[in-house]
Amino acid sequence: GQQVMQIPQYQHVQEGEDFTTYCNSSTTLSNIQWYKQRPGGHPVFLIQLVKSGEVKKQKRLTFQFGEAKKNSSLHITATQTTDVGTYFCAGPGGYGNKLVFGAGTILRVKS
Amino acid sequence: EADIYQTPRYLVIGTGKKITLECSQTMGHDKMYWYQQDPGMELHLIHYSYGVNSTEKGDLSSESTVSRIRTEHFPLTLESARPSHTSQYLCASSDGLGRAFFGQGTRLTVV
Repeated sequence: GQQVMQIPQYQHVQEGEDFTTYCNSSTTLSNIQWYKQRPGGHPVFLIQLVKSGEVKKQKRLTFQFGEAKKNSSLHITATQTTDVGTYFCAGPGGYGNKLVFGAGTILRVKS
Repeated sequence: EADIYQTPRYLVIGTGKKITLECSQTMGHDKMYWYQQDPGMELHLIHYSYGVNSTEKGDLSSESTVSRIRTEHFPLTLESARPSHTSQYLCASSDGLGRAFFGQGTRLTVV
């Protein structure tokens, strides 16, 4: 079945440094989604990318969808302590287009 | 914020007890999901539903069962709880664009 792989598994950065997490799918995706889960919380939808090569920005967050629609990245510029959490990518796949999540990247920020 | 509710938020129960975790959404979404997540770990899909009277097992084997008699309600039942069932259980529903909305989760501890 479809697999969504995410790297790195964990990253610890100094406040003010940049951070990037990468997502790769074993199959072409109709769209890719990103979620953020704060420690002790539940995943919250951040954004959805649909078009090949699409780039979207939300303040310090930049999301990209690859030309082949099989990979995506989330880049955070100048991290802040409020960015701490786990970032998941997800895409529709498998029977019935159920949502398949990557394993997530845990971000810790040292102040 | 989306309207999806899980009860209870926290539950401590003895081994062998039967429990039902409740999940309700008021958005009219057809697709609903149950995920199991240990602290800091990935989301494991254990059940999903495409609509009323439609349920499927997810990628992670689970001894739980689900039902979908009404669109808005997707309860999960454990017939005989064991310590290995200790985890967080997250319910989600997805809209027509495939975006998932999560409940706040139930933290289950089986003693």
